[in-house]
Amino acid sequence: AQSVTQLGSHVSVSEGALVLLRCNYSSSVPPYLFWYVQYPNQGLQLLLKYTSAATLVKGINGFEAEFKKSETSFHLTKPSAHMSDAAEYFCAVSGSGYSTLTFGKGTMLLVSP
Amino acid sequence: DADVTQTPRNRITKTGKRIMLECSQTKGHDRMYWYRQDPGLGLRLIYYSFDVKDINKGEISDGYSVSRQAQAKFSLSLESAIPNQTALYFCATSDPGLAGPRDNEQFFGPGTRLTVL
Repeated sequence: AQSVTQLGSHVSVSEGALVLLRCNYSSSVPPYLFWYVQYPNQGLQLLLKYTSAATLVKGINGFEAEFKKSETSFHLTKPSAHMSDAAEYFCAVSGSGYSTLTFGKGTMLLVSP
Repeated sequence: DADVTQTPRNRITKTGKRIMLECSQTKGHDRMYWYRQDPGLGLRLIYYSFDVKDINKGEISDGYSVSRQAQAKFSLSLESAIPNQTALYFCATSDPGLAGPRDNEQFFGPGTRLTVL
């Protein structure tokens, strides 16, 4: 079975500070991993995905994530937070048949001036 | 613009009522999904469908049913709504042919906020 653990239901940063959102996964097969963002009153939007090519993945809005197999991690980072980054972020892993996604519980990113 | 739409966007109903949430997509994707989102619980899969003749239960299918009327339409029904089905419901689509069979990138609708009193 697959599972995702996102450490921290809320993360607070100051504008301009480093953003680090943590995601650890468990998978019985080589994983495909995804980060989605949800802005208030909107659906989920793909930020980036790991599909077994490069381990460092660059996404939209300056975000990137690094796949580390030895640590079973796929943490999301951004060098400098912007007020517009305030949203909820979800990490997801493909299911064993690669036909479904299992989502983490989400991390709310709060950005202060 | 190709899109995933959900109707209604908001619905308030009473315990015991039958409710249908509808999802339509113009992406031409074969795979469609229904999720519910609850605060602190993330998204949980209710049902999914790979084509009009294929329906699969997800993690939390009890109390729900679905209908795949066409490639582009996937409806979720609550036969007798109860208060703990109050949640935000999302429809999503995917097409593994775009980037390989293992790439299950999903595209989400805007959601339906359902309140059961």
